[in-house]
Amino acid sequence: AQKITQTQPGMFVQEKEAVTLDCTYDTSDPSYGLFWYKQPSSGEMIFLIYQGSYDQQNATEGRYSLNFQKARKSANLVISASQLGDSAMYFCAMREASGGYQKVTFGTGTKLQVIP
Amino acid sequence: EPEVTQTPSHQVTQMGQEVILRCVPISNHLYFYWYRQILGQKVEFLVSFYNNEISEKSEIFDDQFSVERPDGSNFTLKIRSTKLEDSAMYFCASHEGGRPNTGELFFGEGSRLTVL
Repeated sequence: AQKITQTQPGMFVQEKEAVTLDCTYDTSDPSYGLFWYKQPSSGEMIFLIYQGSYDQQNATEGRYSLNFQKARKSANLVISASQLGDSAMYFCAMREASGGYQKVTFGTGTKLQVIP
Repeated sequence: EPEVTQTPSHQVTQMGQEVILRCVPISNHLYFYWYRQILGQKVEFLVSFYNNEISEKSEIFDDQFSVERPDGSNFTLKIRSTKLEDSAMYFCASHEGGRPNTGELFFGEGSRLTVL
């Protein structure tokens, strides 16, 4: 079974609109962390936001917020007021504390295109 | 802001040659990782390293791969005899440690390896 599932290979959004990128995960570990990374065409991985499994509130970082629904095992990224510079690949990732060490698994990514 | 640095940014090599990719993790971090991303595909875990030894490795990380921390600051990935399918972007990452469900996994900007 896939640990991280991103069902949207590509998404379009109008500039200044909000967009939600979906991510569901699968783990039996009670302690885990969820990440979103942005990868522009230049290739680097840019950290956006983090949510710990024990965090009570949804994480927010500027225009990024993480809609964490633990019972549904989903961790969707919401980008408000999209900008042209938001066009990129977006990866959801999960870190599990398996065996005392930390391994991060990535989803297949969603390519976001912001339209002027 | 502290960052993970990687060299070289791009390396072209002939099939069968040895390649060493170098990384300088953030100085107070305890966990180090190598990931790779074949062009257009998802980011794949290769290996994690803690306390001067490999803590976990994926099935991709076969006998052709090795890692070491030769001097307490550098963290290297060696590919002994490169194959065409080793062409990819290789990302180094580091994490501070502590409670497993906290904190950001910091990525370097990647080293693009092209095997001809």
